[in-house]
Amino acid sequence: EVQLQESGPGLVKPSQSLSLTCSVTGYSITSNYWGWIRKFPGNEMEYMGYITYTGSTTYNPSLKSRISITRDTSKNQFFLQLNSVTTEDTATYYCVRRGYDGTYYYRYFDYWGQGVMVTVSS
Amino acid sequence: IQMTQSPSLLSASVGDRVTLSCKAGQNINNYLAWYQQKLGEAPKLLIYNVNSLQTGIPSRFSGSGSGTDYTLTISSLQPEDVATYFCQQYNSWYTFGAGTKLELK
Repeated sequence: EVQLQESGPGLVKPSQSLSLTCSVTGYSITSNYWGWIRKFPGNEMEYMGYITYTGSTTYNPSLKSRISITRDTSKNQFFLQLNSVTTEDTATYYCVRRGYDGTYYYRYFDYWGQGVMVTVSS
Repeated sequence: IQMTQSPSLLSASVGDRVTLSCKAGQNINNYLAWYQQKLGEAPKLLIYNVNSLQTGIPSRFSGSGSGTDYTLTISSLQPEDVATYFCQQYNSWYTFGAGTKLELK
């Protein structure tokens, strides 16, 4: 069974960097597309970006100057780094896998992690 | 593309037919998914491409709609369906609705 699990600090100071890890079991990250979604306290959700099976990345234009998604295929993990955080980056962060029916990749998400709440505060 | 869900809170009884609405700010060409999130759990994909049921999801869940207006229907509400349901469009980038919280009356 495919499982995703986020980990990382729950508290980050303003202006610092937020770094999260998504550990994947049951499926290789050298296949499919792997992304990050965040849910703000008011329930709005934002798709932040993704890394593909080749290691290429695509980011939400609203975050492009601050975000980086990387991976470690030997550990089957991928990572989120968000720089220069403010209180507006306080959210629950989810890692996700893009939908796959065995033939095609789709742009919905068939596996999600449980999420990690990150608070930006001094 | 803005996604608007209604109602934000819905109370229903076991056995009721429940309908949740998701309205897109423009035509999303049927690129719509529905998710269920129970308290403390990861979101679960229910429906994709408007009306395709994800593997393992009970058949009481169904989706319909076109253009800008979409619906998730639960044909006979069960206690385990208490959750928040949200929609997502993937026609142009990815945007999500704010969710409908479904509770038992």
